[in-house]
Amino acid sequence: NAGVTQTPKFQVLKTGQSMTLQCAQDMNHNSMYWYRQDPGMGLRLIYYSASEGTTDKGEVPNGYNVSRLNKREFSLRLESAAPSQTSVYFCASSEAPVGSYEQYFGPGTRLTVT
Amino acid sequence: KNEVEQSPQNLTAQEGEFITINCSYSVGISALHWLQQHPGGGIVSLFMLSSGKKKHGRLIATINIQEKHSSLHITASHPRDSAVYICAVRGGAQKLVFGQGTRLTINP
Repeated sequence: NAGVTQTPKFQVLKTGQSMTLQCAQDMNHNSMYWYRQDPGMGLRLIYYSASEGTTDKGEVPNGYNVSRLNKREFSLRLESAAPSQTSVYFCASSEAPVGSYEQYFGPGTRLTVT
Repeated sequence: KNEVEQSPQNLTAQEGEFITINCSYSVGISALHWLQQHPGGGIVSLFMLSSGKKKHGRLIATINIQEKHSSLHITASHPRDSAVYICAVRGGAQKLVFGQGTRLTINP
């Protein structure tokens, strides 16, 4: 099993450009999450999908959109990138809503917006 | 005040030492998670616990629900244990609240 995979691993964007971060899991998990990690801030939830067909905002959703394409895939889109979105992005999944179930993380995407 | 506070923020020790990392939280929880972030950036789940103690190899996690406190212990520490250790608690139906992490360095 590959677990949780993310693409790309690294990306440099110019301000105003758009891009989509891809995430897929092969563990048949119901719930998927997008986090960002910034120095001194800890992990912060951007969006989550409790189950296929549903998405909800997390702590820091502004500037992002998500799509739960199917049970396996959950993508994060930046429509117009800003320097404040420079961060490391992690996708994660869990069998059911987080808190009572272990979370599995992808390897991360390091994004720089210039 | 952060909902989840870890101490210390940084810890350097010699190989073989017994390590303790602390996590205090202010919200009611159903479960507490300990995560490890490797120097390369990957994050893995170490423990999820809601009461008592759990052990996996040289790692032990304890939680005191009444005192809203958890500890992660590492026995016979080794340089490969060098990583950032993150505590997280459930702050809502779908939200984990994360501590800022403890950076552990074990010198040979």
